Parts: sequence; C-alpha cells; structure tokens
Amino acid sequence: EVQLLESGGGLVQPGGSLRLSCAASGFTFSWYDMTWVRQAPGRGLEWVSYISGAGGDTYYADSVKGRFTISRDNSKNTLYLQMNSLRAEDTALYYCTKLLDDSGSIFGDWGQGTLVTVSS
Amino acid sequence: EIVLTQSPATLSLSPGERATLSCRASQSVTSSLVWYQQKPGQAPRLLIYDASNRATGIPARFSGSGSGTDFTLTISSLEPEDFAVYYCQQRSKWPVTFGPGTKVDIK
Repeated sequence: EVQLLESGGGLVQPGGSLRLSCAASGFTFSWYDMTWVRQAPGRGLEWVSYISGAGGDTYYADSVKGRFTISRDNSKNTLYLQMNSLRAEDTALYYCTKLLDDSGSIFGDWGQGTLVTVSS
Repeated sequence: EIVLTQSPATLSLSPGERATLSCRASQSVTSSLVWYQQKPGQAPRLLIYDASNRATGIPARFSGSGSGTDFTLTISSLEPEDFAVYYCQQRSKWPVTFGPGTKVDIK
C-alpha cells in the first residue's frame, strides 16, 4: 500500500523559510516522478512543483519559481520542498503526490498534507 | 495557462439520483482531462484519467466523457459516500491546472 507522510509545516513569518518532507513507502520510490500540490484554506488545488524519479528534471509553477526548490533522496525514500521568501499567499495545505505510472501529470496517490501558515 | 471552468458550483441531489458535472477548458486539451474527488478533511482521490478511464478501485457508477474543451463526469446513482467536491484537471499543457470544483451535497 502506498503511503505518503508529509511533515515540516508550521507557522512562519513573511520572508521566512520552511523545509517540507514527504516520507514514502509501499512502492519503489526511485521509479516514480513526484510532485507537490497545495490547497489554500477553503480554496481549490494548485500544482506547485515536479521532480522526475532520478531527480534530474524539476519544474515549478510561476508563483513559486525562484523561491521554492524541490529535491529528493532516493536512498531515504523522501521528497523535499525547500520554501524560501515565504509570502502570505503561500499559506496552504501542501500535499505530496506520487504520479501515476509514467503519466507525468496524473496525481495518483496523495498524502494527507502538511499545513503552512505564513503570517506575522 | 489553460483555465478550467466547472459547473454547477453546487449540485444538490438525493441518494440514488444521477449526477452530471461539467468541466470546460479555455482551449482544447484533447482527452487529457482528469477528475478527482475530495471529501471534507481528506486528500483528493483520483477518479478518472484521460477523460474516460477509471482509476484502480473506482466503482463503475463513475464515468467520464468528452474531448476537446467539454467534459462530463457522471455518477449514475449517488451513494451516501459520493457527496463531496469534484475537481477536474487538465494535463495537456504545463502548468497543469485545476478547475474550481463542484460540490455535490445532499438535498
């Protein structure tokens, strides 16, 4: 059974930094592309960032480009999101997702999310 | 980026009734349209991918159709556990984008 467990969220001041982690189990982590998707409170879904299975390819939404960095450690079965220069509009529940097979963009499995609140 | 519009915003129905949800794209996404279900306090769940393919474990009462710019998610007979918010997502062009959702609630 696929399990994705996010951690690292919390309250941070504008301009601050946080590092989110997603511990994966139940599948061969290095074989799968992964993404982060976020959901602002009471709002819809927004794709944030993508990383290929080997980690060589990464993509970002324009809203986070230059501020967020996605990475992975396949030896630890863990996905990361380093978030710098945080803004109020980054406040959201951040989901780690495993992409469906080689789809590149079908979010097949989701974690339960970790909440990031940016506020002074 | 491609903008998705979902209608109606809210659909009030009774168990056993048929639900028809619409998703319209601002430009053609061919058949690259995905549907998710989200219940309160839970993560989204993949239902349908590439317009009409049910994901593993999804009951046959869920079906998807459409191509180009107009898509439909149909729930043939609503079960109590189907009352939730449904999102469409296009994966034709990056960045992938989601619709604002349709809430199916109990009448």
